[in-house]
Amino acid sequence: NAGVTQTPKFQVLKTGQSMTLQCAQDMNHEYMSWYRQDPGMGLRLIHYSVGAGITDQGEVPNGYNVSRSTTEDFPLRLLSAAPSQTSVYFCASSYSMAVRSYNSPLHFGNGTRLTVT
Amino acid sequence: DQQVKQNSPSLSVQEGRISILNCDYTNSMFDYFLWYKKYPAEGPTFLISISSIKDKNEDGRFTVFLNKSAKHLSLHIVPSQPGDSAVYFCAASSSTNTGNQFYFGTGTSLTVIP
Repeated sequence: NAGVTQTPKFQVLKTGQSMTLQCAQDMNHEYMSWYRQDPGMGLRLIHYSVGAGITDQGEVPNGYNVSRSTTEDFPLRLLSAAPSQTSVYFCASSYSMAVRSYNSPLHFGNGTRLTVT
Repeated sequence: DQQVKQNSPSLSVQEGRISILNCDYTNSMFDYFLWYKKYPAEGPTFLISISSIKDKNEDGRFTVFLNKSAKHLSLHIVPSQPGDSAVYFCAASSSTNTGNQFYFGTGTSLTVIP
C-alpha cells in the first residue's frame, strides 16, 4: 500500500515553461488536494477535488490547473511557470467527501520541490 | 488573512520533559482540529485530532486540548523524545463550510535535546 505518491521529487523550470506534477493515491480516497508550502506561510490550498470529474479552487489557485479524470490521480499543471511558484508542493487525500469527518484526516505525499529560475 | 496561527516558530525542550505547542484560530465556525508532524524532506503525517464537542483528546504520549472560548488549542507531548524533533502544524476546518478546506498554521519547529 503506497499511500499518496508524488512525482517528480525535484524539478527545475525556466520562467514560462509548463509542467505537470503528478499525484496518485491507492487508498480509494474521494477527496484529493494540492498544497504549497512556503517559508513563514504554512500550507496553503491550491485546488481540491471531492471526486472524479469535480474540482474547485482553494486559497491560491492562480497559475495552476487541475483535473480529476479518475479517483486515483490528481495532476497539478503549471501553465507558465513564474519564480513566485518556487515552492514545495504537497498532494493530500482523504477518504470522505466531507473532509471534516472526524475520522478522515488528510494523508500527504512526500512533496515535489520546484524551483523556477 | 491567517485564520490559524502558530505564534512560536520554534521550541526547544529537554528529553523527558513536556513539550507544549500552541495554536490559535480566528474563525468561530471551526469545529475540527488536527495536528500534523513533519520531518524534513517528507510530507506531513497525521498525529491527533479533536472535534469541538470535546475539550481533550489523548493518544499515548500526545494530548490535544481545545479551549473554544479562547479559540486556542495546544498539543502536549509527554515525555518528549529526540525522535519528536520535527515541525508541527495545526489545522482547522468547519463542518458548516462548503469549501472542504483545511486551514493550516505556519508550523512550530520542535527540538528535543537529549
